[in-house]
Amino acid sequence: QVQLVESGGGLVKPGGSLRLSCAASGFTFSDYYMNWIRQAPGGGLEWVSYISSSSGSVIYYADSVKGRFTVSKDNANNLLYLQMNSLRAEDTAVYYCARDALNWHYVDYWGRGTLVTVSS
Amino acid sequence: QLVLTQPPSASASLGASVKLTCTLSSGHSSYTIAWHQQQPEKGPRYLMMLYNDGSHFKGDGIPDRFSGSSSGAERYLTISSLQSDDEADYYCQTWDTDIRVFGGGTKLTVL
Repeated sequence: QVQLVESGGGLVKPGGSLRLSCAASGFTFSDYYMNWIRQAPGGGLEWVSYISSSSGSVIYYADSVKGRFTVSKDNANNLLYLQMNSLRAEDTAVYYCARDALNWHYVDYWGRGTLVTVSS
Repeated sequence: QLVLTQPPSASASLGASVKLTCTLSSGHSSYTIAWHQQQPEKGPRYLMMLYNDGSHFKGDGIPDRFSGSSSGAERYLTISSLQSDDEADYYCQTWDTDIRVFGGGTKLTVL
């Protein structure tokens, strides 16, 4: 069955960096677009970034993270990454790895999330 | 600008039905959306995709009590025979070439 398992969250100071990972299994990872989506404490869902299938040549970011976050993937090892730099307090959230449905762009599977806390 | 609008809260009694609404922004009334459920302290779960003609396709294991419908720019999620574990936040989601968009979510209380 499809599984998405995030890791790498934790406490980081403002201005610091963190790299999140998402291990995918149960499907052909390279065939799917993948997303990072976050949820601030008590808040709603906010899309962060997506990377296209195959080589991942198409990447987009939300304006709130553009220039600070970088998404990448390793198809050989079924891994999705989110490099987060220049972190701010408002980046504090649970970060979810999520798969787009095949040939569509709605999310059809979610991970359980990893918590990132940005605080001094 | 592509925006999804949801009322922040809804309530209905145990065993009753409830219809949740998601409204697409002007100029986007033909867009397909998806509905997601987030139970307390859990990650979101995909429920269904919903076309502008009201046809919908549910995720694996989603009960028949959940259905979708559409009218113009409105997209609906109907839950019948409400159970206590239907108490959750419900989000609609859509997309464009360069973006994924979520509604603000509706918190459903089962009385």
